[in-house]
Amino acid sequence: GNSVTQMEGPVTLSEEAFLTINCTYTATGYPSLFWYVQYPGEGLQLLLKATKADDKGSNKGFEATYRKETTSFHLEKGSVQVSDSAVYFCALSANSGYSTLTFGKGTMLLVSP
Amino acid sequence: EAGVAQSPRYKIIEKRQSVAFWCNPISGHATLYWYQQILGQGPKLLIQFQNNGVVDDSQLPKDRFSAERLKGVDSTLKIQPAKLEDSAVYLCASSLNEQYFGPGTRLTVT
Repeated sequence: GNSVTQMEGPVTLSEEAFLTINCTYTATGYPSLFWYVQYPGEGLQLLLKATKADDKGSNKGFEATYRKETTSFHLEKGSVQVSDSAVYFCALSANSGYSTLTFGKGTMLLVSP
Repeated sequence: EAGVAQSPRYKIIEKRQSVAFWCNPISGHATLYWYQQILGQGPKLLIQFQNNGVVDDSQLPKDRFSAERLKGVDSTLKIQPAKLEDSAVYLCASSLNEQYFGPGTRLTVT
């Protein structure tokens, strides 16, 4: 079946540090890949997405590239801010359209001033 | 545009009691999802509706969980009777293409 594996957290960084959160997946066919963010007390928000191999999703300074050869979709940001502190979820949907999401366990990011 | 609304936001019940959650999706979104998010884990799909029909309920514990979307708009999720392991956040999402999530209902079963 489909699955998503993320690095365990919490990830603790100082403001302006470089961020990488690793995500790998297992799926048949050509899934779409997503990063969602959950701020404290709020619902999940779509951060970025990529629907085919070599696509790069980007938003708010975050980016991730769909790597089919390594089945990965790592999240990166060049300079994190305190306001980026949240839980980040990697997810896939099983086909090129939008359908049921399979999520990873989430990675908490804590950014200190 | 109003987002996905859920109520209540918090609920505490004793085991073996029943509980119901309500979701109002974004206007015009035909697809509605209920997810269960246990602490420290990612959300897991319980049921997916397309209008008022069920598309996928393969992971819904049907002996105690039920859900309906009678008019293809609002939806309710019910647990009867609740168990300790049902303590979780229940998320509702709706979509035309990408999914939009509500704030969730945090259920504590004691």
